[in-house]
Amino acid sequence: ELKVEQNPLFLSMQEGKNYTIYCNYSTTSDRLYWYRQDPGKSLESLFVLLSNGAVKQEGRLMASLDTKARLSTLHITAAVHDLSATYFCAVDKNTDKLIFGTGTRLQVFP
Amino acid sequence: DTGVSQDPRHKITKRGQNVTFRCDPISEHNRLYWYRQTLGQGPEFLTYFQNEAQLEKSRLLSDRFSAERPKGSFSTLEIQRTEQGDSAMYLCASSLAGGFNYGYTFGSGTRLTVV
Repeated sequence: ELKVEQNPLFLSMQEGKNYTIYCNYSTTSDRLYWYRQDPGKSLESLFVLLSNGAVKQEGRLMASLDTKARLSTLHITAAVHDLSATYFCAVDKNTDKLIFGTGTRLQVFP
Repeated sequence: DTGVSQDPRHKITKRGQNVTFRCDPISEHNRLYWYRQTLGQGPEFLTYFQNEAQLEKSRLLSDRFSAERPKGSFSTLEIQRTEQGDSAMYLCASSLAGGFNYGYTFGSGTRLTVV
């Protein structure tokens, strides 16, 4: 059974600092997704990573994928308060459904 | 197309009552998914359809839950004899299987509170 784990579960960081969220998954997967969720809101798609070595960047967020290690990272550069949210990684296998990680709740303070 | 729509946004019901939620996917998407999310957890897969066929249902899903997608367009999720443990956000998503767009688009969700 495909399982997805994220760490840390909670991250409190100061504005301007850098940090990385890690996502491990248990079996081979077709694609790796990163989503953002604000409190009480739905999921906003951030990145889709399709192959080994894939790297995507949007603003202060950069995601990468290592399929051999079954690991994806979401790197935050020079954090700002607006990035405060919960971040989920998710994988799909055989393109049939998404399996989500536990989520990382990010809080950025001044 | 305005994306995935879910109705209602919020539902408060008494324990033991039946509730039904509706999801309207992106029109050209052939797959439709239902997820449940409780506070502090990631979304949990419930079931999905390709067109009108229900292809998979989570083993964790109680028999009190049923979903339909009668004409391959909108879908309904019904919960019978609701329990307090059913309180959660119910998310619907759609995607295009076999296409080059690999995205899953999520709706705003229906928040269910069982009192």
